[in-house]
Amino acid sequence: DAGVTQSPTHLIKTRGQQVTLRCSPKSGHDTVSWYQQALGQGPQFIFQYYEEEERQRGNFPDRFSGHQFPNYSSELNVNALLLGDSALYLCASSLRTSGSADTQYFGPGTRLTVL
Amino acid sequence: GQNIDQPTEMTATEGAIVQINCTYQTSGFNGLFWYQQHAGEAPTFLSYNVLDGLEEKGRFSSFLSRSKGYSYLLLKELQMKDSASYLCAVLDSNYQLIWGAGTKLIIKP
Repeated sequence: DAGVTQSPTHLIKTRGQQVTLRCSPKSGHDTVSWYQQALGQGPQFIFQYYEEEERQRGNFPDRFSGHQFPNYSSELNVNALLLGDSALYLCASSLRTSGSADTQYFGPGTRLTVL
Repeated sequence: GQNIDQPTEMTATEGAIVQINCTYQTSGFNGLFWYQQHAGEAPTFLSYNVLDGLEEKGRFSSFLSRSKGYSYLLLKELQMKDSASYLCAVLDSNYQLIWGAGTKLIIKP
């Protein structure tokens, strides 16, 4: 049973560039959430995808966008990169059931460095 | 605003017991999670509490008091591999996870 996978593991970009991060959820899961985690901080919620639509969004600018595919995998896109976007980007998957708190399982993350 | 507070760092001795506290103020409450995160790795699920009381799972236990907005994670028989950050997260009224900054636990021999 494959867990949550993310690619790439590490990425170095320069300011102004664009980046795409990828996530495959745990088998049987249909919901993907993306988080940004700065060093020494807790994860910050970016957005959540279910049924190929963005269902919830945290306090992140429109430069952050995403997509979910029919096979439940997901992408996170960040445009016009800033130095402050350097962080660990975590993908978490869960099984959405109405009104319940489904445990989120995390992938290994993508370490993004913006120079 | 929403806020979750945890101590920044704690130190304990191998074989001992440590309690990591978490207090929260959130818009609504649909449960509280504890995650363990080793340096450079992803968080891994430890426990979930939605009702008041103590949930025990092996060497780890988690307690919740909703009226006090308070939880703790209790780790017994500490091992060196327990050195990690421990993250408290609350599911708010929108079923969005609000995270604390984490408590870095250092275990000494």
